[in-house]
Amino acid sequence: KAGVTQTPRYLIKTRGQQVTLSCSPISGHRSVSWYQQTPGQGLQFLFEYFSETQRNKGNFPGRFSGRQFSNSRSEMNVSTLELGDSALYLCASSLAPGGADTQYFGPGTRLTVL
Amino acid sequence: GENVEQHPSTLSVQEGDSAVIKCTYSDSASNYFPWYKQELGKRPQLIIDIRSNVGEKKDQRIAVTLNKTAKHFSLHITETQPEDSAVYFCAVPRGRAQKLVFGQGTRLTINP
Repeated sequence: KAGVTQTPRYLIKTRGQQVTLSCSPISGHRSVSWYQQTPGQGLQFLFEYFSETQRNKGNFPGRFSGRQFSNSRSEMNVSTLELGDSALYLCASSLAPGGADTQYFGPGTRLTVL
Repeated sequence: GENVEQHPSTLSVQEGDSAVIKCTYSDSASNYFPWYKQELGKRPQLIIDIRSNVGEKKDQRIAVTLNKTAKHFSLHITETQPEDSAVYFCAVPRGRAQKLVFGQGTRLTINP
C-alpha cells in the first residue's frame, strides 16, 4: 500500500497570506489528523477528521481550519499567516478514529513564513 | 504538553548500553500508550505500544512498561546501536474523542 502523502513538501509565504496544505491518507483509512511540529513546542494536535466530519480540535486559533473529502483526502488551511506559523505540518492517517489506533504519518509540509 | 510529561529531554548513551525514557500522564481513563520514533528529517513512526490490560510488552531490543497506578510508562532500549539515535515521543489519547497528546520528545544520541 502507498503511504501517506502530503503536498507540497515545502512552502514559503509572507505574513498575511493564506496557505492550503493537502494530505492523502493510506487507502482505506478514513481518519486523518493534523499536527504542527516546532522545535520549541514539539508535536501539537491541530484537528482530526473522520468520514468528512471534524471530530476533534486542538487549541489553535480559528485561522487554522480543515476539511475532509469523500475520498478521505484532507486539506488544512491557514489564513492571515503569522511568523509563528512557521513549522513542519504533519498529517497522519489511521483506520479507526481517535488516537488509540496506529497513526501513519506523512512526510510533512515545511512552511516558512517571512 | 497538556499533561503528558516526558523525561529526559536529551539522553546520550554509549553504544551497547541501555536507554530509558519515561512519560507521566494525568488522565486515569487513558488506556493506550504508544511510542513513536522520529529520525532526523523523517516522519514519526510507531515503534511499540501497550494497552492498559498488560504491564509490559517487548519487541526484540525495545520494551515498554506501564504503571497505571502511578500513571507513567517507560520505553526501554537495550544493547543500543547507532541507528537508535533519534527523537522519541510518547503519546496518550485523551478525552472522549481520544485526542492524541504527545510528550515533548527525547533526543537520544548513541555514542560509538
